[in-house]
Amino acid sequence: ETGVTQTPRHLVMGMTNKKSLKCEQHLGHNAMYWYKQSAKKPLELMFVYSLEERVENNSVPSRFSPECPNSSHLFLHLHTLQPEDSALYLCASSQGAGRDMNTEAFFGQGTRLTVV
Amino acid sequence: GQQVMQIPQYQHVQEGEDFTTYCNSSTTLSNIQWYKQRPGGHPVFLIQLVKSGEVKKQKRLTFQFGEAKKNSSLHITATQTTDVGTYFCSGTDKLIFGTGTRLQVFP
Repeated sequence: ETGVTQTPRHLVMGMTNKKSLKCEQHLGHNAMYWYKQSAKKPLELMFVYSLEERVENNSVPSRFSPECPNSSHLFLHLHTLQPEDSALYLCASSQGAGRDMNTEAFFGQGTRLTVV
Repeated sequence: GQQVMQIPQYQHVQEGEDFTTYCNSSTTLSNIQWYKQRPGGHPVFLIQLVKSGEVKKQKRLTFQFGEAKKNSSLHITATQTTDVGTYFCSGTDKLIFGTGTRLQVFP
């Protein structure tokens, strides 16, 4: 248990579906991240939120929509995905972000997404 | 943008052999972190290096930060099967991870 919980652990969705991934951290951190992990790109940074403000959007397609309602929760809303979006989606949190980052990042177990 | 490359991409070793992975950044880093991801698991923090030329050891693992703070290395002495996994470096300026080195250890 890392203090970062992701749900669901596995998700199969059709290309016309809308689903959401959830991440929750109980570490008191103020920065949260979404990563995509696939065979082609091992750990690809998607979004960074610091103090609930999005500070990084790494050229991610608009079919991925993040939401950070408070410092403990992070969502990734998915709609009209493509089969190539199938991957492991990892959430992480840290105390501070960027040059203000003080400690290590803690990762959740990930959501294994399959788009059919 | 910042790019972090790691070499080699894969490494297969016999148990007891040494292993080294190298991390190179296109830009100077304020600090660098190393993570390990076991097969089927998630990345877990190993260590953070901050100072130019810094060397830190954790049992059989030795971490080094280059003088110019643009490269780093992780060396494992006498590998064990428990060392299997993918090792990532990360420049913490943007928590962008390197491409990773997958280590396989044969008993």
